[in-house]
Amino acid sequence: EDQVTQSPEALRLQEGESSSLNCSYTVSGLRGLFWYRQDPGKGPEFLFTLYSAGEEKEKERLKATLTKKESFLHITAPKPEDSATYLCAVHRGGTYKYIFGTGTRLKVLA
Amino acid sequence: NAGVTQTPKFRVLKTGQSMTLLCAQDMNHEYMYWYRQDPGMGLRLIHYSVGEGTTAKGEVPDGYNVSRLKKQNFLLGLESAAPSQTSVYFCAGGQGGEQFFGPGTRLTVL
Repeated sequence: EDQVTQSPEALRLQEGESSSLNCSYTVSGLRGLFWYRQDPGKGPEFLFTLYSAGEEKEKERLKATLTKKESFLHITAPKPEDSATYLCAVHRGGTYKYIFGTGTRLKVLA
Repeated sequence: NAGVTQTPKFRVLKTGQSMTLLCAQDMNHEYMYWYRQDPGMGLRLIHYSVGEGTTAKGEVPDGYNVSRLKKQNFLLGLESAAPSQTSVYFCAGGQGGEQFFGPGTRLTVL
């Protein structure tokens, strides 16, 4: 069964305290893994797409990596404005099906 | 360039009432999707469309219908609303990879 599990559910960091969010997945024929950011009361905002194990993408303080079983979203020296829920999703090959995780709620304290 | 827009933003219905949620996009996306987001469950795909005039069922289609008469619009209908359909509904557009989400519609069914 296709499944996406994100951990931790919630994370509180001090400003400048680096950490990583995890997205583990089981899916037949991964076609892509996606990271989104969601602010309260808003729709998810696209961050990254990763297609194959070993791939890495960076944007400002965020870096996403991918292995055959999981993806990490590394946050370096976070700022309060990085506070949001981060969602992971996988696209199953041969279908239009996207499976989303339940997200990690990140709070960065000043 | 508004991206993906949704109307209405909020709605309260009584059990058995009907309504239509409108999604509009100006990004020329071929693919469009309707999701619902419930606490602790992640985003779940209701219906999707791979082009004008086409629709298909997603993961949780029961109680919903959709239409895509024009490429830029994707409508989600509830024929007879039930309390279990209380949720936040998101529309998204994409081109087979990353998806771009609207701001959401918060629906409460009493």
